Amino acid sequence: AQSVTQLGSHVSVSEGALVLLRCNYSSSVPPYLFWYVQYPNQGLQLLLKYTTGATLVKGINGFEAEFKKSETSFHLTKPSAHMSDAAEYFCAVTPGGRGSTLGRLYFGRGTQLTVWP
Amino acid sequence: GAVVSQHPSRVICKSGTSVKIECRSLDFQATTMFWYRQFPKQSLMLMATSNEGSKATYEQGVEKDKFLINHASLTLSTLTVTSAHPEDSSFYICSAPLQGGPSGNTIYFGEGSWLTVV
Repeated sequence: AQSVTQLGSHVSVSEGALVLLRCNYSSSVPPYLFWYVQYPNQGLQLLLKYTTGATLVKGINGFEAEFKKSETSFHLTKPSAHMSDAAEYFCAVTPGGRGSTLGRLYFGRGTQLTVWP
Repeated sequence: GAVVSQHPSRVICKSGTSVKIECRSLDFQATTMFWYRQFPKQSLMLMATSNEGSKATYEQGVEKDKFLINHASLTLSTLTVTSAHPEDSSFYICSAPLQGGPSGNTIYFGEGSWLTVV
């Protein structure tokens, strides 16, 4: 079974500060992990993903995340927050591994990021 | 690039009527698509898996007779909310997986559709 826990439904940072959004997962098979961003009244935009290979993945808008199997984590970071980063962020997992078929995503409850000037 | 498009983005309908939402995969074929529902300030809840050429698979608690899903082609899935009621008002989002694309294995989402039942 797959599940995702996002610690902190709200995170507030000052502009220029480090952004850290936490995501822990559980999966009975090797996972594929995703971070999506959602702006108000819009769909989901893919920020980055981990499927195989390098555990540190870089995404759009300066975000990156590191897959840590031992900690079952996939935390999202950005060195310096910008006002335009204010949005809802969702971590999601789907079963991966060889021969797997991309399927449904299991979402965390989301983290609302607020950036103060 | 690979894109998933939904239409309409916003729709208002009267109680008791039906409304159809389309989900199209652009530039790639999707034998499977997924429909999610999102309540305000909440996460996404999977409603059903749309399978091209066969019946959709519904999640527990989702009324299949109310939320009709048709996946008639490799690029189009439709969600029809039948006999809509105000409690069906929500944000509906579809997704389509792309395996082996330019960006590797990825799951793309549509822009979402706001349904308001009055």
